Amino acid sequence: AQSVTQLDSHVSVSEGTPVLLRCNYSSSYSPSLFWYVQHPNKGLQLLLKYTSAATLVKGINGFEAEFKKSETSFHLTKPSAHMSDAAEYFCVVSAGNQFYFGTGTSLTVIP
Amino acid sequence: GAVVSQHPSWVICKSSVKIECRSLDFQATTMFWYRQFPKQSLMLMATSNEGSKATYEQGVEKDKFLINHASLTLSTLTVTSAHPEDSSFYICSARASGSGTDTQYFGPGTRLTVL
Repeated sequence: AQSVTQLDSHVSVSEGTPVLLRCNYSSSYSPSLFWYVQHPNKGLQLLLKYTSAATLVKGINGFEAEFKKSETSFHLTKPSAHMSDAAEYFCVVSAGNQFYFGTGTSLTVIP
Repeated sequence: GAVVSQHPSWVICKSSVKIECRSLDFQATTMFWYRQFPKQSLMLMATSNEGSKATYEQGVEKDKFLINHASLTLSTLTVTSAHPEDSSFYICSARASGSGTDTQYFGPGTRLTVL
């Protein structure tokens, strides 16, 4: 069975400080893992994707994520938060024909 | 690349409405329709394959939410006999044909309000 757990429903950081959004997954297969970002009233934008090529995945806008099989984790990080990073972030595991979504983490960036 | 559009972006209706989802720069054998309630994650409604009937998730009324995927770049969702409880944010996504990838590219969403 596939599932995704985003450990924090809300994260608040100050502008210029690091961002850490946590995601744990469960998958019967060798998973594909994604992070998407959703700004208010918008669709989802792909930030990055893990497909077993490299455990450290670099995405757009300075985000990256590290796949740790032993911990079944795929946490999203960014060294320095920007005001425009304030949004909802979804961790997703792909299995078969379907996406399995986490419940989302709302990121607030404090000026 | 990999742009997906939706039309309309918002709509107010009383009875039925058709929402279009287009892959603008790639062909998509498979498209997906999701529904999202405020402050919640996406809920898959149905998987749409070009030239065949859509596969609906459990609990989704196929006679109410009609899906047509007539071409490799267009899928439509028609909400029929709409009621206020159908008001929601509807998002489609598309997966590129023959790419060997499972990446889904999402449209900007359609905000539906049923009076």
